[in-house]
Amino acid sequence: DGGITQSPKYLFRKEGQNVTLSCEQNLNHDAMYWYRQDPGQGLRLIYYSQIVNDFQKGDIAEGYSVSREKKESFPLTVTSAQKNPTAFYLCASSTSQGAYQPQHFGDGTRLSIL
Amino acid sequence: GQQVMQIPQYQHVQEGEDFTTYCNSSTTLSNIQWYKQRPGGHPVFLIQLVKSGEVKKQKRLTFQFGEAKKNSSLHITATQTTDVGTYFCAGVGGSQGNLIFGKGTKLSVKP
Repeated sequence: DGGITQSPKYLFRKEGQNVTLSCEQNLNHDAMYWYRQDPGQGLRLIYYSQIVNDFQKGDIAEGYSVSREKKESFPLTVTSAQKNPTAFYLCASSTSQGAYQPQHFGDGTRLSIL
Repeated sequence: GQQVMQIPQYQHVQEGEDFTTYCNSSTTLSNIQWYKQRPGGHPVFLIQLVKSGEVKKQKRLTFQFGEAKKNSSLHITATQTTDVGTYFCAGVGGSQGNLIFGKGTKLSVKP
């Protein structure tokens, strides 16, 4: 079955530590996205990528970094500069970038501070 | 910047009652999408509306796009316990044309 796989499901970060969240898709989608979800909040866009080796900042990119070396993979690094990283992180993909394309989401990674 | 407002934030209903959530934008939307997120799950795409005044139905769910393309609604007739979850609307926004999500309406259904 095609889909998006996020790992790990739960992640704990120590002070001053960088952590990387994995996102892999086998849907052959060009566009991929990272969102942050806080309780009672909608989804806020962190980064997105329309094509391999290219990515753009979203609304809340500070303290995060990404790479897109392969079409299937779009890992997100939460750096120590992100002072409030506790949240639910969702990766999504669509056939192409743009508001007319439905987005398909992974199961998410829940990140907490130790 | 563009905002997508969604009300109510929470709705508790008795099974069999109807439910409606409303989505409003500060600017005209080119389209609107609706997603459902079950408790502990991830958002799942339900539908997209593009045309002014468009109405689409999926079984007990009715989706409407306003004439001015600034608002939308999702109505569920005779709710069931399987309808439990958070319903999000999302419209295009920003200079790059990305989706802007509303904060969602969390629906709980009492059997």
